[in-house]
Amino acid sequence: EVQLVESGGGLVQPGGSLRLSCAASGFTFTTYWMQWVRQAPGKGLMWVSRINPDGNITTFADFVKGRFTISRDNARNTVYLQINRLTAADTAVYYCARGTAMIPYWGRGTLVTVSS
Amino acid sequence: DIVMTQSPDSLAVSLGERTTINCKAGQSLLYTSNNKNYLAWYQQKPGQPPKLLIHWASIRQSGVPDRFSGSGSGTDFTLTISGLQAEDVAVYYCQQYYSAPCSFGQGTKVEIK
Repeated sequence: EVQLVESGGGLVQPGGSLRLSCAASGFTFTTYWMQWVRQAPGKGLMWVSRINPDGNITTFADFVKGRFTISRDNARNTVYLQINRLTAADTAVYYCARGTAMIPYWGRGTLVTVSS
Repeated sequence: DIVMTQSPDSLAVSLGERTTINCKAGQSLLYTSNNKNYLAWYQQKPGQPPKLLIHWASIRQSGVPDRFSGSGSGTDFTLTISGLQAEDVAVYYCQQYYSAPCSFGQGTKVEIK
């Protein structure tokens, strides 16, 4: 069974940083692109970033503006999202997802709240 | 970036009634070399992650009830629920994966009348 379990969310002050993790299991991690999608409270889905199986190709949404870094540790079956210079607009549930195009597998998400 | 626009934003439907949600893409999602439309539909219930219902515009994901169907091509697509059930109350999103970055519609909330 495919499982994606996010962690690392929490309350952070504006300007702060967080590193989100997503532990994957139930599939051959090293053969799949991984993505992050976020959802602000009461709002729609917004794609954030993706990384290829080797970890050497990454793509980001325009709104990231150089503040986010995506990486993966294939030995640990884990993908990361480093988020810097957080603002209130980054408050959202961050979902880890498996897929290159359509997304058949999603984690349950981790909530990031940016507030002073 | 491709803008995806859904209509309506919300609708209330009686149990057993047919429900139709529309999705319009800012450009064609039809890749002519393989004749596939790069369009997916998702269902999201409160407190849950999205669930993939339809991909390639009309292919039902494994395990999805056959009352859900997708149609359309190019820029105009439709998700139809042939007879609404209570468990279908959710927000529905379309997504294009024709070009990066992928993008989602704003969502359509379906409620029971």
